[in-house]
Amino acid sequence: GAVVSQHPSWVICKSGTSVKIECRSLDFQATTMFWYRQFPKQSLMLMATSNEGSKATYEQGVEKDKFLINHASLTLSTLTVTSAHPEDSSFYICSASGARTGYNEQFFGPGTRLTVL
Amino acid sequence: AQSVTQLGSHVSVSEGALVLLRCNYSSSVPPYLFWYVQYPNQGLQLLLKYTTGATLVKGINGFEAEFKKSETSFHLTKPSAHMSDAAEYFCAVSDRDDKIIFGKGTRLHILP
Repeated sequence: GAVVSQHPSWVICKSGTSVKIECRSLDFQATTMFWYRQFPKQSLMLMATSNEGSKATYEQGVEKDKFLINHASLTLSTLTVTSAHPEDSSFYICSASGARTGYNEQFFGPGTRLTVL
Repeated sequence: AQSVTQLGSHVSVSEGALVLLRCNYSSSVPPYLFWYVQYPNQGLQLLLKYTTGATLVKGINGFEAEFKKSETSFHLTKPSAHMSDAAEYFCAVSDRDDKIIFGKGTRLHILP
């Protein structure tokens, strides 16, 4: 199957600092990557969709200046939470799709737990 | 617009009993439908999906789901529950663009 990794798996940071989360497709080329946010005991909320080499498309209500997404290669996308605050604490999950996986199927990373103190 | 409704945020079944997790969807076009499982502090794992063709779809770990267009349903079943099935289950729909819309999830509890 297609494997997606995330790094780090968990991170704790101080309020006001920035945090970068990496999402990698290990064995396929991901033309599209997705970033989700999941609050405790809730469903996944799509934050943004990124296509390799182009700007990310953000969902309504998601601050693009706060959640910076870069998809510079076919195997790597990054999410940077800028000037993090406690309300940004959440579980962030990425997914990826490409020609090999089928564009309507997304493969999910293991998630990153962000805690902002 | 697409949407997914999962009936029951928590479902409890005895070990060995039938598992039935309900999912209804709305979509303006023939949908792609998915069931995912999530274990604590982990990402999502695809259990099964329906795209076209046979409406009864078999997935991993003994799960299956049936696409019923007339009922706009895609319920997930497993004949005999195992303790390892305890997890969060998400039904999801895609209307053939890239996006997947998730239901709110159902927590499955297995009673010994």
